[in-house]
Amino acid sequence: QKEVEQDPGPLSVPEGAIVSLNCTYSNSAFQYFMWYRQYSRKGPELLMYTYSSGNKEDGRFTAQVDKSSKYISLFIRDSQPSDSATYLCAMSEGQAGTALIFGKGTTLSVSS
Amino acid sequence: GAVVSQHPSWVICKSGTSVKIECRSLDFQATTMFWYRQFPKQSLMLMATSNEGSKATYEQGVEKDKFLINHASLTLSTLTVTSAHPEDSSFYICSASVDTQYFGPGTRLTVL
Repeated sequence: QKEVEQDPGPLSVPEGAIVSLNCTYSNSAFQYFMWYRQYSRKGPELLMYTYSSGNKEDGRFTAQVDKSSKYISLFIRDSQPSDSATYLCAMSEGQAGTALIFGKGTTLSVSS
Repeated sequence: GAVVSQHPSWVICKSGTSVKIECRSLDFQATTMFWYRQFPKQSLMLMATSNEGSKATYEQGVEKDKFLINHASLTLSTLTVTSAHPEDSSFYICSASVDTQYFGPGTRLTVL
């Protein structure tokens, strides 16, 4: 079993839809959870950064972490064509200087 | 804030030559920088962890004599691909760590 599992998709939705992206993990020592967005031929861009369990909201994005279930989610409300990208979940045991463990990424396509 | 740059953004070289890629944190100091490579439609693969003023730690299977990493200051790390071959062609991405990892835009290396 891989440390981090993420469905690669592709996921196709119409503009305005609510998108749900998910990852599961096996290492209970993970404390920090990130979501990155990566456009083709670009570096990953940090979207959300959360510590331990709970919810965090930033604009149209909401990140949820359920450590008891080892499950994290990213919700995108009112999805836009510009949201079309690959979304990578990542997690680590420690903070700065600690290696991240990435999911394989989910490719999202939002059609207008 | 938390901007990371890479130079060059793309490079084409002949087989057998060496290529240097620079990674800079522009508005913060990073004790730790990371180097990744990414093949098409795949997730990021960690190559090495670089701490300022000390030797880099390489992941299993990554040749340290082929991929030379120097982290001479808190804002600059370099990756040199020595005696490059076509199989080294890839997308190389660095990240700099403060609270979490912030990624550069990537460098596309093509070895002919």
